[in-house]
Amino acid sequence: DQQVKQNSPSLSVQEGRISILNCDYTNSMFDYFLWYKKYPAEGPTFLISISSIKDKNEDGRFTVFLNKSAKHLSLHIVPSQPGDSAVYFCAASNQGAQKLVFGQGTRLTINP
Amino acid sequence: NAGVTQTPKFRVLKTGQSMTLLCAQDMNHEYMYWYRQDPGMGLRLIHYSVGEGTTAKGEVPDGYNVSRLKKQNFLLGLESAAPSQTSVYFCASATGTEAFFGQGTRLTVV
Repeated sequence: DQQVKQNSPSLSVQEGRISILNCDYTNSMFDYFLWYKKYPAEGPTFLISISSIKDKNEDGRFTVFLNKSAKHLSLHIVPSQPGDSAVYFCAASNQGAQKLVFGQGTRLTINP
Repeated sequence: NAGVTQTPKFRVLKTGQSMTLLCAQDMNHEYMYWYRQDPGMGLRLIHYSVGEGTTAKGEVPDGYNVSRLKKQNFLLGLESAAPSQTSVYFCASATGTEAFFGQGTRLTVV
């Protein structure tokens, strides 16, 4: 029973364009959501988060949108850069950053 | 700053052998976690701790034990390794709003 789902295993985007990564969740008790970025042979690193009291959070080139009624969130990266090529994990919790539940990950490739 | 450090980074075990993975954090966090990452399955929580001397089971605890004798250390033990435990293991420590991960331990059980 996958409570957090990232249905796209991979995504390829041209440099300079917008990358949109999607995430769906089933547990209505989740109230805090995070995105992590992972390079090969490294641990995941925190990218951006959003609380359920908001529907948008922006940090530089990264924006996370939350649609509570649809139980859906998305990460927008604009403009996309080659260094953004990595695996992106969506995570959720009902206890802040405690006991995070992760999606399967989406491998983003930025093409020159 | 070291952050979260995992030891070892790589290990190959034979079926039935035992080993302990060490996680150390220098951020004075109360919460610590062990996850495993498998292809197509994201990160799954094995065990966690909400403070020194406490441990609790996560989503996939079978075949693993943990101990948190000191606040800065969280140990993950495999008493009798099985091929199904071949995975990449990540330790994390957390504040209320962010979890910090170690670099991972790649374990292969043959």
